[in-house]
Order: sequence, then structure tokens, then C-alpha cells
Amino acid sequence: DAKTTQPPSMDCAEGRAANLPCNHSTISGNEYVYWYRQIHSQGPQYIIHGLKNNETNEMASLIITEDRKSSTLILPHATLRDTAVYYCIVREPGAGSYQLTFGKGTKLSVIP
Amino acid sequence: DAMVIQNPRYQVTQFGKPVTLSCSQTLNHNVMYWYQQKSSQAPKLLFHYYDKDFNNEADTPDNFQSRRPNTSFCFLDIRSPGLGDAAMYLCATSRERVATEAFFGQGTRLTVV
Repeated sequence: DAKTTQPPSMDCAEGRAANLPCNHSTISGNEYVYWYRQIHSQGPQYIIHGLKNNETNEMASLIITEDRKSSTLILPHATLRDTAVYYCIVREPGAGSYQLTFGKGTKLSVIP
Repeated sequence: DAMVIQNPRYQVTQFGKPVTLSCSQTLNHNVMYWYQQKSSQAPKLLFHYYDKDFNNEADTPDNFQSRRPNTSFCFLDIRSPGLGDAAMYLCATSRERVATEAFFGQGTRLTVV
């Protein structure tokens, strides 16, 4: 079973920041939060991951609450090409945790 | 440049007729995965290879087999496709089992008629 809860869908105006929430209230101390996205008819694409500190890369920012029970993926200036299903995944990077267990994700629609 | 390549992008097969999907990678990664994704569902892991070591998920049907003749190539064989096997099949790679990032191919959409 997926360890995360995400809203099924969200809309965002083009050019505005998209803030995608994820609840992972049962996260354990060694588990990281990963985000992937899947554009229609394509394979999933890695976006970002973090443990407890906020992270930023060229694609997005990841904000993790202090208690680590939830996080937010931020796309600072959403474009139409960011329309996709976004998956939040909790994973412990140890032996045996070789798979990504995808939950249902959030379908983000960027509106012109 | 594509790093994980799946061929073909679209495959139509007859009910019960064996079919093979292929995946190749230019990343020289040790781990290769096969996922099944049915319409409006999340990807589901079928099995993975760590080098030549094959690891099957407990709930993967026997109808699904895999081969990895070398580091670069991995095949998914469906011995007797049923209508319920129609799905997108995704191949992915990662450098190690515990690597943070997995690279996915574009997928092969399988139709069973």
C-alpha cells in the first residue's frame, strides 16, 4: 500500500506557482520523500527528493514540514508542459527498497 | 538523447499469441525494471534485474517472464496475453538498487485483440 495521500486533481493558472501537497503521516526516520511526474503517454520522470531539509533544483522546490508528516512540491512558474500526474513517494534508500511504489498521484492541469 | 528506449511504442497482439517487448539502455545501469500501468492507474512493478539476478514480485502472474541477455537489453515476454493484459508497459533503470533516481522509457502500449 502507498504510504502517501495526495489530492486527486488540481488546477493552476499558467505562469503561477503550482503547490502540490502530499501527506505522509506514517513516514519513518530513514525514509525519503521522492517526487515523480508522468506526462500523458510518457514514462514517469524524476523531479526531486528530500529527507528533512528543503530542496531545490532546476525543476522544482520541495518543502518538508518540520515533523516530516507532509510536504509540498512547488513548481514556481507553471507552464502548459507541466500538465501531468505528480506522484509523491516515500522510500527508504536501503537494501530491499528497490522499487518505487506509486500511489494514485495528483493530476495537475495548467490552465492558459 | 533517449537513455532508456522501448520498442515498439505501440504493439497489437492477438489473444493467446506470445508477444515480446524490448527495452535497451545507454546508461550502463545495473538495475532494470518492468512496470505495468493500466488505464488511469499507477505503475505497478512486475519484476526487476540487478545485473543478472532476477527478482519477481510475489503477485506477478506466471504469464509474464523476462530475459536480460546483457547489461543493455531487457525483454518482457507475455506467454499467452489475455484481454486483461492490455496496458502500458514501462521499462526503467537505476544505477543501483538504492539509487535515488530511476530513469523510465517512453513505454510500450499493448493492445490485445
